[in-house]
Amino acid sequence: SQKIEQNSEALNIQEGKTATLTCNYTNYSPAYLQWYRQDPGRGPVFLLLIRENEKEKRKERLKVTFDTTLKQSLFHITASQPADSATYLCALDSNYQLIWGAGTKLIIKP
Amino acid sequence: AAGVIQSPRHLIKEKRETATLKCYPIPRHDTVYWYQQGPGQDPQFLISFYEKMQSDKGSIPDRFSAQQFSDYHSELNMSSLELGDSALYFCASSFRGGPSSNTGELFFGEGSRLTVL
Repeated sequence: SQKIEQNSEALNIQEGKTATLTCNYTNYSPAYLQWYRQDPGRGPVFLLLIRENEKEKRKERLKVTFDTTLKQSLFHITASQPADSATYLCALDSNYQLIWGAGTKLIIKP
Repeated sequence: AAGVIQSPRHLIKEKRETATLKCYPIPRHDTVYWYQQGPGQDPQFLISFYEKMQSDKGSIPDRFSAQQFSDYHSELNMSSLELGDSALYFCASSFRGGPSSNTGELFFGEGSRLTVL
């Protein structure tokens, strides 16, 4: 079956370190993949979109990689801050819909 | 900049009652999406509209219906409410540029929290 997997357990990172979140998928061939941030009780907020022909994309302290051979995307936050604490969702396109992972809760400790 | 507006933000209903949620997309966006999200769950796609026509259907129960009006606002109607319908309901909008175009970046509203007692 088609599936997207993100770390189900919360990720605890010390402030200032780099946080790396993983998104793995099976049985899809997405043209692009997106990452969103979601705070409790709030709607997801778009962060980055990476296309299948792009290996890496950056935006300020954020970096996303996309390996279509491994069927994996990595999401990095460098110089992490407590304000980065949130749930991060990956989503990929399939038949004109976005298919979502369940998200990884990131906790940045001061 | 204008964002996606949803109302009401909170709604409490009894079992078997009816609820209506409203969504006003970002101006000039041509596609509206409805999602349901339970606690700790990923957003579940319910239904979408492109230029006021239903374009895709996800896991929307038969008890639910939705439409998009001439002014591009959308309403999600939920009838015969069940306890399991308690969730956050998000509306999102995007500009796709065509019915067969990819979704692109979605802009979400703040959500409507439905509690069924």
